[in-house]
Amino acid sequence: ETGVTQTPRHLVMGMTNKKSLKCEQHLGHNAMYWYKQSAKKPLELMFVYNFKEQTENNSVPSRFSPECPNSSHLFLHLHTLQPEDSALYLCASSQGDTLDTQYFGPGTRLTVL
Amino acid sequence: DQQVKQNSPSLSVQEGRISILNCDYTNSMFDYFLWYKKYPAEGPTFLISISSIKDKNEDGRFTVFLNKSAKHLSLHIVPSQPGDSAVYFCAANTRTGGFKTIFGAGTRLFVKA
Repeated sequence: ETGVTQTPRHLVMGMTNKKSLKCEQHLGHNAMYWYKQSAKKPLELMFVYNFKEQTENNSVPSRFSPECPNSSHLFLHLHTLQPEDSALYLCASSQGDTLDTQYFGPGTRLTVL
Repeated sequence: DQQVKQNSPSLSVQEGRISILNCDYTNSMFDYFLWYKKYPAEGPTFLISISSIKDKNEDGRFTVFLNKSAKHLSLHIVPSQPGDSAVYFCAANTRTGGFKTIFGAGTRLFVKA
């Protein structure tokens, strides 16, 4: 495996479910990111981890809970989501801060019923 | 309030002609700008960047122009090819901004054969 991978690619969940999104990067990068992309809206930065430490939390509701056990893995735990949380969730990584190119995964298409 | 704006949601261009994608920003502290390209079912991929100390950066068929006084940048693709059909995101950050890159909403480019 190379680059940034995300699983699952598609997820449908009810508002009472608990699910997790997984991201893995095979690039030896130190920083990992979660973004949300809603239809016709800019990519919204949600969380940033640098060397496993959270450096950015962009006022994200607590129903989204990130976890970064090591520099290669990033999770987004989801619980009691709302239909408006339906979106494409993209993971990215970079060597250093955002002056370095970010490498994105293919995303998880989330639908909340 | 969007700090990075791409006011054209879509653009259609004939193969072989020039494609010009525009981006405006409001934050005068931005000093580094990037363009990403996204195909369906894939994550965005880095295309080209420009630092605020320059007004032009060229890479093959892709050239980015920066007009700091107007807070405007543009991506020129010449000649356009059908494989260039994708969504193009403009992004900006600051050298002191840490890990926070601000993205525009994207412009969908159609290159007709």
